[in-house]
Amino acid sequence: KQEVTQIPAALSVPEGENLVLNCSFTDSAIYNLQWFRQDPGKGLTSLLLIQSSQREQTSGRLNASLDKSSGRSTLYIAASQPGDSATYLCAVFNDYKLSFGAGTTVTVRA
Amino acid sequence: EAGVAQSPRYKIIEKRQSVAFWCNPISGHATLYWYQQILGQGPKLLIQFQNNGVVDDSQLPKDRFSAERLKGVDSTLKIQPAKLEDSAVYLCASSPQGGAVDIQYFGAGTRLSVL
Repeated sequence: KQEVTQIPAALSVPEGENLVLNCSFTDSAIYNLQWFRQDPGKGLTSLLLIQSSQREQTSGRLNASLDKSSGRSTLYIAASQPGDSATYLCAVFNDYKLSFGAGTTVTVRA
Repeated sequence: EAGVAQSPRYKIIEKRQSVAFWCNPISGHATLYWYQQILGQGPKLLIQFQNNGVVDDSQLPKDRFSAERLKGVDSTLKIQPAKLEDSAVYLCASSPQGGAVDIQYFGAGTRLSVL
């Protein structure tokens, strides 16, 4: 059974600092890995999708890396802004379904 | 393009009562998912439909939970009878085909409190 772990559970940084969010998974036989953002009272929004054959994916200030063999992914958010405050969830696709981590709740202080 | 619609947004019931949630996916999406997200945890897949057929319901507590997707469009998830541990946010998502390359689009969820 796939287990997805995200550390830390919560993070508070001053505006402008770079964010580093970590995700680890136990079964490396994945098709892809996704990072989602969840705002309070709202659903999840997909931020980045990395295929198993890729090493990284970038979108604006976001960059996600994938090391499938070691079961790790890292989401980098450059020059954080208060609007980046949210919960970020990592999910891996294998066995025909997504398995999610519990998320990292980020607070960016103005 | 309209997103995934869910109703109600909030529901409070007492244990042993019944409750139903409704989801209308993005138009044209063949695959519909129901997730349960307990506070402090990531979403857990309850059931996946491909058109109006069930693809995966291995994590659905079938003694109390049921779901249907009539005509391959909108879907209803029911809990009967509810237990305290069913308190959670129930998320509906849809995707074009349901494969590994699909992105799932999520609704805002229904927050259920069982007292």
